[in-house]
Amino acid sequence: DAKTTQPPSMDCAEGRAANLPCNHSTISGNEYVYWYRQIHSQGPQYIIHGLKNNETNEMASLIITEDRKSSTLILPHATLRDTAVYYCIVRAPFSGNTPLVFGKGTRLSVIA
Amino acid sequence: GAVVSQHPSWVICKSGTSVKIECRSLDFQATTMFWYRQFPKQSLMLMATSNEGSKATYEQGVEKDKFLINHASLTLSTLTVTSAHPEDSSFYICSARGRQGSYNEQFFGPGTRLTVL
Repeated sequence: DAKTTQPPSMDCAEGRAANLPCNHSTISGNEYVYWYRQIHSQGPQYIIHGLKNNETNEMASLIITEDRKSSTLILPHATLRDTAVYYCIVRAPFSGNTPLVFGKGTRLSVIA
Repeated sequence: GAVVSQHPSWVICKSGTSVKIECRSLDFQATTMFWYRQFPKQSLMLMATSNEGSKATYEQGVEKDKFLINHASLTLSTLTVTSAHPEDSSFYICSARGRQGSYNEQFFGPGTRLTVL
């Protein structure tokens, strides 16, 4: 699976959009971009994933650049409960025993 | 949606004792289960992968005789930390993957915090 690079930490004012970047310059053609988050002392929570088109769900939007070498997770109106570590993971579609491998992620602090 | 539960959510034990952590997939059959460990301010580290009815595959550096994994059914996997020591204190997280369709994704349990005194 391709490696990802994320900033170690970010701050965001409550109510504003949080834009979390991720670089994945070695991504392969069949690899998806997945985003998970982990709130303190909880298990990881799935947020969104995409291949090449932008995706949106009730939690967030995922913007993938045309060359697919980077992406941005957008939380449109961040709340204090969005304070968490956000992980960007690049991998091929789930198959067999291959697990999700977590990097260091970005620690997002939403500030009142 | 797919739900994975863990029990207990936290446990405190004395050094030298064994601790069992259960992981259950509540509404789907988990053909594969993963166990992760997370130390404070660090990321999740994969410990082992298990398929129902088969022996677990352990990551390099994880002692299979110390961390016993049993995946006896499609909805239950257990991790037993044998002869626990303070350095085994950590946050243990299980994850389950189903057979097909939407359950082919990987779903995570809420984690178990183990403290060894």
